Amino acid sequence: EAAVTQSPRNKVTVTGGNVTLSCRQTNSHNYMYWYRQDTGHGLRLIHYSYGAGNLQIGDVPDGYKATRTTQEDFFLLLELASPSQTSLYFCASSEGTGGTETLYFGSGTRLTVL
Amino acid sequence: QQQVRQSPQSLTVWEGETAILNCSYEDSTFDYFPWYWQFPRESPALLIAIRPVSNKKEDGRFTIFFNKREKKLSLHITDSQPGDSATYFCAASVSGSWQLIFGSGTQLTVMP
Repeated sequence: EAAVTQSPRNKVTVTGGNVTLSCRQTNSHNYMYWYRQDTGHGLRLIHYSYGAGNLQIGDVPDGYKATRTTQEDFFLLLELASPSQTSLYFCASSEGTGGTETLYFGSGTRLTVL
Repeated sequence: QQQVRQSPQSLTVWEGETAILNCSYEDSTFDYFPWYWQFPRESPALLIAIRPVSNKKEDGRFTIFFNKREKKLSLHITDSQPGDSATYFCAASVSGSWQLIFGSGTQLTVMP
């Protein structure tokens, strides 16, 4: 079954900590995305990629790095976590560009930065 | 600057009533408008979408009405059911673009 799987489901770290969020998709999709979801802001795009080794900057990239190691795997890195990065993070994939293609979301990672 | 605005922030209706969720946008080049819904503790999923070649898109009890001149659209849910209780996100994009802009969502509660 095609799916987008995220890990961990929950993560707590301290200010200045190093965090890696993982995402794997088995949809054979070219495009993958990292979004954060905050009350009052909806979903905001952090980074996206259209293939292994490719990385594009989204709307709220500050404080985040990302890496696409294979077509299936996309990672979000917070190297110096701050409390403002406490959020619910979703990974998504799409067959074509996310603007007009259906996004398939993972189950989310809830990150708390103390 | 919020390019896609939704109202109300929250809405409560009784079972069987019609729920109306509103969305407006600023960029006249937007030409694709999907609605995603998100149930509590779940991830968002595509519900229905419209392109401005049409003023209306219907899928069962869910209908999008689109007004290009006023840059507004609305999602009507007829015969609302408690199982429709979710947060509904309006989004907008330009064909071929990577950028899908989400609104802040409307939390719908349908009371039995």
